[in-house]
Amino acid sequence: AQKITQTQPGMFVQEKEAVTLDCTYDTSDQSYGLFWYKQPSSGEMIFLIYQGSYDEQNATEGRYSLNFQKARKSANLVISASQLGDSAMYFCAMRESDYKLSFGAGTTVTVRA
Amino acid sequence: NAGVTQTPKFRILKIGQSMTLQCTQDMNHNYMYWYRQDPGMGLKLIYYSVGAGITDKGEVPNGYNVSRSTTEDFPLRLELAAPSQTSVYFCASSYSFSGDEQFFGPGTRLTVL
Repeated sequence: AQKITQTQPGMFVQEKEAVTLDCTYDTSDQSYGLFWYKQPSSGEMIFLIYQGSYDEQNATEGRYSLNFQKARKSANLVISASQLGDSAMYFCAMRESDYKLSFGAGTTVTVRA
Repeated sequence: NAGVTQTPKFRILKIGQSMTLQCTQDMNHNYMYWYRQDPGMGLKLIYYSVGAGITDKGEVPNGYNVSRSTTEDFPLRLELAAPSQTSVYFCASSYSFSGDEQFFGPGTRLTVL
C-alpha cells in the first residue's frame, strides 16, 4: 500500500495567489514526521517544512504552511503569495519509527505571471 | 561547510559494468541514506545507515551494496549494472531521525546502456 499519496500530478497557479498541495499518508505508528521538499528543474532537493505527529500547532515557515489534519491523515502544503520561483516539483514525505523516509510521487506546480 | 557532496555528477555505464557512487558529509551526521529517483517519480530508499558500521536495506536494495566505515562516507556500489538502474541517485544525511530534515546531495545522474 502507498504510504504517501499525492493526487495532483500538476497544478497551475497565478502569481501572488495561494496554492494548496494535497498529501495523505498511511501509517500505524503513533510517532511519525511529515516533510515537504521542493525540487526545482535544476534537480536539487530543498527542505521546506516539517510537522511532527505530536505537534499541536500547524507548522509554518515563511510563505509555507502545513495544514495538518491528523484524524484525516492529511498534511497539505499551502504556499501563499506564489512567486515565479515557486515553479517546481513538490514532494510530501513521511518518516516513521524505522528511520526511513517514504516519498509521494510529487506534484508539479507552475506559476503563471 | 560543504554539506553533502556526491561524485560523479554524471556517468554512463555499459551493461555489466560496476561502479561506486561516492557520498561524503561534513556535518557529523549519524544517519545517511541513498535514494534513487526515476523520471517523473518520487524518491525510493535503497539503503540507509544509522552510524559507522551499521547499514540496512531500504525499499529497493537489489543490485546495490553499501558500506559505512566512517561517519563521513557512505559509498553506494553497483556490481553488475543493468538498464533498470538508469536513474538519478541522491545521498542524504540527518543528525537524528526524529524531526530533523534530511540534507540532500546534488545527485548523480546514471545511465546504463
